[in-house]
Amino acid sequence: GESVGLHLPTLSVQEGDNSIINCAYSNSASDYFIWYKQESGKGPQFIIDIRSNMDKRQGQRVTVLLNKTVKHLSLQIAATQPGDSAVYFCAEEGMDSSYKLIFGSGTRLLVRP
Amino acid sequence: DTEVTQTPKHLVMGMTNKKSLKCEQHMGHRAMYWYKQKAKKPPELMFVYSYEKLSINESVPSRFSPECPNSSLLNLHLHALQPEDSALYLCASSQGQNEKLFFGSGTQLSVL
Repeated sequence: GESVGLHLPTLSVQEGDNSIINCAYSNSASDYFIWYKQESGKGPQFIIDIRSNMDKRQGQRVTVLLNKTVKHLSLQIAATQPGDSAVYFCAEEGMDSSYKLIFGSGTRLLVRP
Repeated sequence: DTEVTQTPKHLVMGMTNKKSLKCEQHMGHRAMYWYKQKAKKPPELMFVYSYEKLSINESVPSRFSPECPNSSLLNLHLHALQPEDSALYLCASSQGQNEKLFFGSGTQLSVL
């Protein structure tokens, strides 16, 4: 996805609920996708990744879904906790190099107690 | 050790100064990266080193000069920066292509 605008989309969820963060990507030839979490004042932290030969991958409380038909990626967080509050970025392999990770614009997740 | 260490954490510099940002990893990763991140924006790739050779330069102005002295170290030399260069500068490393990047905490740079 391309970065757009100055305002981050925000998702507000109740503690304990499930969260779904969506991302549209642009490179139909991309083989690799990844989700990062970034807390204020810190660098991005790896959450989960998926390759194009899969459509679903699960980690601890997180699931990534890949829909190549519509170029859509989603991150599901089960039983959202206050510590999950952060900005979440999806990233895809760049068009001209497998060393490039191109980040989407990000979504801020706010968890209400 | 799964850390990427960046120093300094904060840096304030004038437009005529010369300074350097440093990055270190001991995970045996052969690819190292510099990203720039403005507030409320995603990280933007600046440079990639692969096996200590510069493999990607995303048309970065020459006032930013990267250096990879060895496989564990990455520097970013800064000279004659502009106020619009103020940002969070992130270093990252990976095993190779199409592998997850491990990021440092960044250097918050302010150019006055």
